[in-house]
Amino acid sequence: DSGVTQTPKHLITATGQRVTLRCSPRSGDLSVYWYQQSLDQGLQFLIQYYNGEERAKGNILERFSAQQFPDLHSELNLSSLELGDSALYFCASSVFGRNTGELFFGEGSRLTVL
Amino acid sequence: QQQVKQSPQSLIVQKGGISIINCAYENTAFDYFPWYQQFPGKGPALLIAIRPDVSEKKEGRFTISFNKSAKQFSLHIMDSQPGDSATYFCAASSYSGAGSYQLTFGKGTKLSVIP
Repeated sequence: DSGVTQTPKHLITATGQRVTLRCSPRSGDLSVYWYQQSLDQGLQFLIQYYNGEERAKGNILERFSAQQFPDLHSELNLSSLELGDSALYFCASSVFGRNTGELFFGEGSRLTVL
Repeated sequence: QQQVKQSPQSLIVQKGGISIINCAYENTAFDYFPWYQQFPGKGPALLIAIRPDVSEKKEGRFTISFNKSAKQFSLHIMDSQPGDSATYFCAASSYSGAGSYQLTFGKGTKLSVIP
C-alpha cells in the first residue's frame, strides 16, 4: 500500500460528458502528480501541484484541468470526453524538493468512454 | 517527443534466467534514473534507482548498469522468477524549476517469466 488513495477505481461514461477523479496523497507529501497511462503511450505526465499551486505541466489537454485543495487532496477534471480519453489515470505524491526520483503511486482510476 | 526510449516492449524469460531491459536518453539534464515495477491492477512502485556518478547498483537480484557516455542504462534481473512477471518502466528525473522535479518514463516492458 503506497498510502495514495484514488477514487473512483472504475468509471464508465459517454462521449461529451465530464468526470472528476480524486486523489489523496500520502500523509506529509505536499506534491501531487497526475499521469495518464494508455497501452501505446505508456505513462504520460499531465500536471503537478505543490501545496495548492501548479508547478509543472506536461501533455495535458485543454479539456482537462486539475487543482489541489488546502487539505492537499487533488482533483483531475476531464470534460467533453472523447473515446481516446479512455485510459488509466494515476495520481502520485512525493516529498517535495528531494530528487529521490521516487513517486508514490495510487492504484489508478480506470476511465472508459463509450 | 519520447525522451526516454525503452526496449524491448515485451520479454519472455525462462525461470532462473536473466532478464535484461534497456533504456536510452538524450537529455543531459537528467540526473536520476529510477526503475518502476507495475503489477496488473496496481500503480507503479519504485524498484531501484541510480545516480549518473555511479556505473552500477545492485539490490538483491536486481542490478542497474549505467553508461553515462552512451546515455544508456539497463535493468538486469538475475535468477528471474514467475513472481517477477510485471511491467517495468525506466524513468529519468530532472529539475523542472521552483524546487520541483519531473519524471519522464519509458513506454514500459512487459516481462513474463515462465516456469
